[in-house]
Amino acid sequence: KNQVEQSPQSLIILEGKNCTLQCNYTVSPFSNLRWYKQDTGRGPVSLTIMTFSENTKSNGRYTATLDADTKQSSLHITASQLSDSASYICVVNHNNAGNMLTFGGGTRLMVKP
Amino acid sequence: DAGVIQSPRHEVTEMGQEVTLRCKPISGHDYLFWYRQTMMRGLELLIYFNNNVPIDDSGMPEDRFSAKMPNASFSTLKIQPSEPRDSAVYFCASTPGTSFDEQFFGPGTRLTVL
Repeated sequence: KNQVEQSPQSLIILEGKNCTLQCNYTVSPFSNLRWYKQDTGRGPVSLTIMTFSENTKSNGRYTATLDADTKQSSLHITASQLSDSASYICVVNHNNAGNMLTFGGGTRLMVKP
Repeated sequence: DAGVIQSPRHEVTEMGQEVTLRCKPISGHDYLFWYRQTMMRGLELLIYFNNNVPIDDSGMPEDRFSAKMPNASFSTLKIQPSEPRDSAVYFCASTPGTSFDEQFFGPGTRLTVL
């Protein structure tokens, strides 16, 4: 069964600290993996996409990693800001021909001053 | 471009009433998706269209739900009759068309069925 599991479910950190969110998947076949950020009351917005051959990709203070062998991805946030408070959703695409997606349950991050 | 537009942003209705949610995708995008999001189940794909044609509606909960895309710039999701368990945020998203493309989500419609 295709599944995407994210951990932790929720996280509270202090402003300026770093944190790492985890995503484990059992999706097969694998096409790519995206991390989305969803602010409260808004739709998800893509942060980064990881393909099979990519191990690390950065987008500002966000760094995503992918280990295709262990089927794990992580999203590392450096020097967190209050605006990083949001839900982060891991989405795996497992169909090159179309748009077959499996969504993780998300991690709710709260950054406190 | 204004992005994906959804209306209404909030809808409160009583059980048994018909509800129609509307979506205007980004111009030029060939794929349109309808999602439902709840705290318990997260984001769930309900149905998606390619070039106005429904491709996969296996996520539609039951016959009370129906979706149409009469043209490339408009889609509706209808619930008739609505039930309290339909309360959720419904998102519409569009994408140009390949598997590497980002899905662009609308702001969502928060539906409350009393």
